[in-house]
Amino acid sequence: RKEVEQDPGPFNVPEGATVAFNCTYSNSASQSFFWYRQDCRKEPKLLMSVYSSGNEDGRFTAQLNRASQYISLLIRDSKLSDSATYLCVVTAGFQKLVFGTGTRLLVSP
Amino acid sequence: DTGVSQDPRHKITKRGQNVTFRCDPISEHNRLYWYRQTLGQGPEFLTYFQNEAQLEKSRLLSDRFSAERPKGSFSTLEIQRTEQGDSAMYLCASSLPGVDLDEQFFGPGTRLTVL
Repeated sequence: RKEVEQDPGPFNVPEGATVAFNCTYSNSASQSFFWYRQDCRKEPKLLMSVYSSGNEDGRFTAQLNRASQYISLLIRDSKLSDSATYLCVVTAGFQKLVFGTGTRLLVSP
Repeated sequence: DTGVSQDPRHKITKRGQNVTFRCDPISEHNRLYWYRQTLGQGPEFLTYFQNEAQLEKSRLLSDRFSAERPKGSFSTLEIQRTEQGDSAMYLCASSLPGVDLDEQFFGPGTRLTVL
C-alpha cells in the first residue's frame, strides 16, 4: 500500500465549478501535511499547508482528519488557471516529504 | 533569480555512462533535499542534507548514486553506470528551518534520459 493515496483523475470541470480532492495517508506518525501544485513539466510549488483546524486561502480550503488519516482540498469557483496536478504531501521524519501520485485537474471554458 | 537552480536542465546519456547534476539552493537555506520523479508519479525522496551533513538516504539511492554537499552550499548528485530505469526528473529542494513547518522550495529539475 502506498504511503499517500490519491485518485489520479483527471477531474474535468467547467469554469466556476467547485471541485474536491481527497487523499489518505498510512503513517499515523505523520506530523505535517501539505497540498502542492505542479504544472505540466514544472516543479512542484506549495499551495497550502493543512492544519487540524482546517484552513482557507481565498478559493482554496484544506481539511485534515487525523483520526481517519484523511486530507481534503476544496477549490471553489474554478478558473482555467487552476488546471494542474495537485499533490497531497505528508512529512515522515527529518522533514522528508512523501508525495501522493497527484490528482490531475482540467478546467474547461 | 534567487530561487533554487539546477544544472543541467536536460541530460541525455547512454547506458553505462556516469552523470553528475548540480543544485544551488536558496542562499540562506541550510537544508537541501534530492527527489526523483517519474512520469505519472509524485516525487520520491532520495536524500537530505543539513549543512554539509547527509542525514538521511532512501533505499532508492543504490550504490550507484552518491550525493555530496561539501561546503554546505551547493550539492551534486552523481549516478554511475546509468541504467534505463534511472530516466526521470531529478528535483532539488531547499528549506530554512522555521518555528513551524518549513516550506521546501523546489528547483526546476534536471530531466535525465538514459538511452
